[in-house]
Amino acid sequence: ILNVEQSPQSLHVQEGDSTNFTCSFPSSNFYALHWYRWETAKSPEALFVMTLNGDEKKKGRISATLNTKEGYSYLYIKGSQPEDSATYLCAFSNSGYALNFGKGTSLLVTP
Amino acid sequence: GAGVSQTPSNKVTEKGKYVELRCDPISGHTALYWYRQSLGQGPEFLIYFQGTGAADDSGLPNDRFFAVRPEGSVSTLKIQRTERGDSAVYLCASSLTGGMNTEAFFGQGTRLTVV
Repeated sequence: ILNVEQSPQSLHVQEGDSTNFTCSFPSSNFYALHWYRWETAKSPEALFVMTLNGDEKKKGRISATLNTKEGYSYLYIKGSQPEDSATYLCAFSNSGYALNFGKGTSLLVTP
Repeated sequence: GAGVSQTPSNKVTEKGKYVELRCDPISGHTALYWYRQSLGQGPEFLIYFQGTGAADDSGLPNDRFFAVRPEGSVSTLKIQRTERGDSAVYLCASSLTGGMNTEAFFGQGTRLTVV
């Protein structure tokens, strides 16, 4: 079992605040790092798939960075909106096909 | 377009019963995965299919769990003699080729409750 840690476990911010979460993973045998957003009663939705050390990816107000040498990734949300409320899951792969998930960060954005 | 579809969305069963959970992947996706999310945990890997064959079933917790994908599309996860500890959300995902350097598409999951 590969240990993937996410922090914080939960977060409550006001609309318009910017926020960030951390994902740490084993730094050896890295293959890929995925971020998913999972809203209640919906499917987990892929945000980013990152494979290269130093990768930075952006989708709208959400961005992510990757450091494979030290084993961490950050997810940033700029100007949080209520529709950003969801659980954000990080998943690490060292095998090329299986994902090892963290427990997620639960984000609540209130107006 | 159609995404990954899982049925049923909810299943309540009595301890000791047999259940089947179905997954319809995205058409043309050769790779299919089953994961299980227990309360308070992240999803954990169960099994990976490439085409019709189980390429890795090392995540299946014991021999009460079995999965098939006979024609390389729809997959069924089968659980015999269910136990209360099997209660979880069972997620299915598919991807075009199987490498985790590309996106995996998830279904909404089947919430299994064993009473």
